[in-house]
Amino acid sequence: EIVLTQSPATLSLSPGERATLSCRASQSINNYLAWYQQKPGQAPRLLIYDASNRATGIPARFGGSGSGTDFTLTISSLEPEDFAVYYCQQRSIWRTFGQGTKVELK
Amino acid sequence: ELQLVESGGGLVQPGGSLRLSCAASTSTFSSYWMAWFRQAPGKGLEWLANVNQGGTVKNYMDFVRGRFTISRDNARNSLFLQMNSLRAEDTAVYYCATDVRGGYSDYWGQGTLVTVSS
Repeated sequence: EIVLTQSPATLSLSPGERATLSCRASQSINNYLAWYQQKPGQAPRLLIYDASNRATGIPARFGGSGSGTDFTLTISSLEPEDFAVYYCQQRSIWRTFGQGTKVELK
Repeated sequence: ELQLVESGGGLVQPGGSLRLSCAASTSTFSSYWMAWFRQAPGKGLEWLANVNQGGTVKNYMDFVRGRFTISRDNARNSLFLQMNSLRAEDTAVYYCATDVRGGYSDYWGQGTLVTVSS
């Protein structure tokens, strides 16, 4: 099973700041990685697929990069609605998720 | 836009069974691979199983293979998850979702809570 490790566990930031979230895979997954946003009581929302492609309707402030084992989700300037938990997910071998990074209001 | 609505969750005793349903809003449902996920209280997401458009190809994570069965009825725009031999650790919110682009999910239901407890 491919293990995804996200860091940090919690990110405390203010609106307008830049957020940088990391996801590391236990083995190479090419670019087969997605990022999801989840707010309390809601289903996950697909943000990025294949490491760097924004899903339909996702604002340009969300960007993804990386390949192989190291990936990054960047939110260029945090909006109030961006405070949430973010998960990475790989599709190289079955599907597994990271444990999540909570972006909280500082 | 495809909308998905899960139902069938509830309280079940250990060792019991439950059948979850996922109703899709449009007949485009039949063009999608579909999947089930779950999320234990306060925990992360787990992919459980998926099924192809025709219902002939099914894949399962090891920890549910043999206990859970995924199926679909395209005439009824519905996806199902039959869960047997339930354990306390199966307690979670269960989500259905599309499985697109080789393994990502862009449409999700709102989830249904399954609680396994005596």
